[in-house]
Amino acid sequence: EPEVTQTPSHQVTQMGQEVILRCVPISNHLYFYWYRQILGQKVEFLVSFYNNEISEKSEIFDDQFSVERPDGSNFTLKIRSTKLEDSAMYFCATRTSGGSQETQYFGPGTRLLVL
Amino acid sequence: AQSVAQPEDQVNVAEGNPLTVKCTYSVSGNPYLFWYVQYPNRGLQFLLKYITGDNLVKGSYGFEAEFNKSQTSFHLKKPSALVSDSALYFCAVRPNTGTASKLTFGTGTRLQVTL
Repeated sequence: EPEVTQTPSHQVTQMGQEVILRCVPISNHLYFYWYRQILGQKVEFLVSFYNNEISEKSEIFDDQFSVERPDGSNFTLKIRSTKLEDSAMYFCATRTSGGSQETQYFGPGTRLLVL
Repeated sequence: AQSVAQPEDQVNVAEGNPLTVKCTYSVSGNPYLFWYVQYPNRGLQFLLKYITGDNLVKGSYGFEAEFNKSQTSFHLKKPSALVSDSALYFCAVRPNTGTASKLTFGTGTRLQVTL
């Protein structure tokens, strides 16, 4: 069964450093999402991406965040200057173009720790 | 704005007994409703969804959920719990209108099944 994959599984970085989180979507999926889960809290939407542009973003997704699909396969989330409060599990999710009722499939996540 | 409430932080049940994990939602218009399960150090796995039609939805691993429009609820159920069902369960919602497709999650309910 096809799966969403994410790399790295864990990342430790110093405050102020840039990090790039990578996601490989399921092959026929065209809608991409990033969510995050701060330890012990609920999963929160960050951004959705379709046709090489952002469709929707939350208030969390400020100027420090960016997304792109640089090579037509990987979908990346960049945090330019990490803050302590960016420490969280980041999940990529993808779905087909069949409509918004289509299921979003989640990757295993990247655990980011900012020191 | 859409929201999801999972009123129980934890549900404890003995193996072989039926289980219910509660979820209520608030959304403009009609909802699409989803249940996901998260095992320790893993991503979110899709269990089932309600889009339209029959109010009783059957999903993976013997789980089912009942959509109740008048009570705005979508409780997850299983007739006979297994120890291996122990995990964190998330309910999620999105409206079935508009272009936005982000999922809004509840805070999660930890299911503990004991022998």
